[in-house]
Amino acid sequence: AQSVAQPEDQVNVAEGNPLTVKCTYSVSGNPYLFWYVQYPNRGLQFLLKYITGDNLVKGSYGFEAEFNKSQTSFHLKKPSALVSDSALYFCAVRDENNQGGKLIFGQGTELSVKP
Amino acid sequence: DSGVTQTPKHLITATGQRVTLRCSPRSGDLSVYWYQQSLDQGLQFLIQYYNGEERAKGNILERFSAQQFPDLHSELNLSSLELGDSALYFCASSGATRNTDTQYFGPGTRLTVL
Repeated sequence: AQSVAQPEDQVNVAEGNPLTVKCTYSVSGNPYLFWYVQYPNRGLQFLLKYITGDNLVKGSYGFEAEFNKSQTSFHLKKPSALVSDSALYFCAVRDENNQGGKLIFGQGTELSVKP
Repeated sequence: DSGVTQTPKHLITATGQRVTLRCSPRSGDLSVYWYQQSLDQGLQFLIQYYNGEERAKGNILERFSAQQFPDLHSELNLSSLELGDSALYFCASSGATRNTDTQYFGPGTRLTVL
């Protein structure tokens, strides 16, 4: 069965410091991995995805994520956090063998960036 | 703005009632997905339609149903509502049904069942 784990419910970072939001996954075939961000009272906004190719994926708002097949991880990173990055972050996965197209989401990680 | 629209933004109703949530996908997108977000279950996939046909089903209750119309908008019908159905309901759309397609989410409909 497919699954995604975000081991940290909350991550606290000082503005200007690097941030990492962790994600690990489990699928039977090759994974397709996504990161979304949810601001209060808003929908999910797409940040980036990994399909194939370079393990380092660059996305919106200066975010990037590193795919690590051996560790089955897809951690989200940003070199210098902004207060405006404070939000709820979701990692999601699809299995290449999944014909339905549905996304399996992690439980979410609340990122808090303090000035 | 993702280009996906959902109405209404908020819905307050009583137990036992029936409601309809509406979604318009991004221009040109053929696939529509419905998800439920609640505090205890997180984000759960409900159902997917592609060009008017049901494509995949998740943990959708029998009291819930959906359809996609010829103009590609979709409706999610929730009936015999229970307190536990209170949640944020998202619609997402993508161009096709490839597993590599990005799903773009609407702003959601917040349903409160009293």
